[in-house]
Amino acid sequence: RKEVEQDPGPFNVPEGATVAFNCTYSNSASQSFFWYRQDCRKEPKLLMSVYSSGNEDGRFTAQLNRASQYISLLIRDSKLSDSATYLCVVNRRGYQKVTFGTGTKLQVIP
Amino acid sequence: NAGVMQNPRHLVRRRGQEARLRCSPMKGHSHVYWYRQLPEEGLKFMVYLQKENIIDESGMPKERFSAEFPKEGPSILRIQQVVRGDSAAYFCASSPPGGNNQPQHFGDGTRLSIL
Repeated sequence: RKEVEQDPGPFNVPEGATVAFNCTYSNSASQSFFWYRQDCRKEPKLLMSVYSSGNEDGRFTAQLNRASQYISLLIRDSKLSDSATYLCVVNRRGYQKVTFGTGTKLQVIP
Repeated sequence: NAGVMQNPRHLVRRRGQEARLRCSPMKGHSHVYWYRQLPEEGLKFMVYLQKENIIDESGMPKERFSAEFPKEGPSILRIQQVVRGDSAAYFCASSPPGGNNQPQHFGDGTRLSIL
């Protein structure tokens, strides 16, 4: 089983829709979690950290479910500019090296 | 406050030549990571370095690839005797010391093309 798994998509959604992605991780010692977005042929950019209690940043909400070992990203009121690949990142306690998921591709359609 | 700086942005080499990719971390960051990304694929971890030390090189190919992060100057990823399969985007990321709760910040990447 991969350490971090994501549905590659693509998720094709209309503008204004709400879309959610999940990311599962296999190591229960995982401690830190992040969502990044990567536009085509560009570098990954930090979107948000994921906290145990869940956190929100504008239209984006991140949640952590330790019991089921997954994190989620919810995007409300999708914009065309949200089209990108969303990468899940997981870090184990005591390790500086992180593990990237292969990403979920989102395409927001006019 | 400059971000992670990578150069060159694009590098073209012929088979058999050497490629040197440079990465200067963000100010205050002492941890550097190198990743490789093939077209339409995910990021693949290569190596994690701190100043003058290789901490984890589990993702580095056994031959032709090496990395360093000297006391002074940028981190260097070196690929000797390049082959067509080395063509990829190489990203460098850095993070501050003191704990794995800190996210990594990426440079713009170096696109390596092998003729």
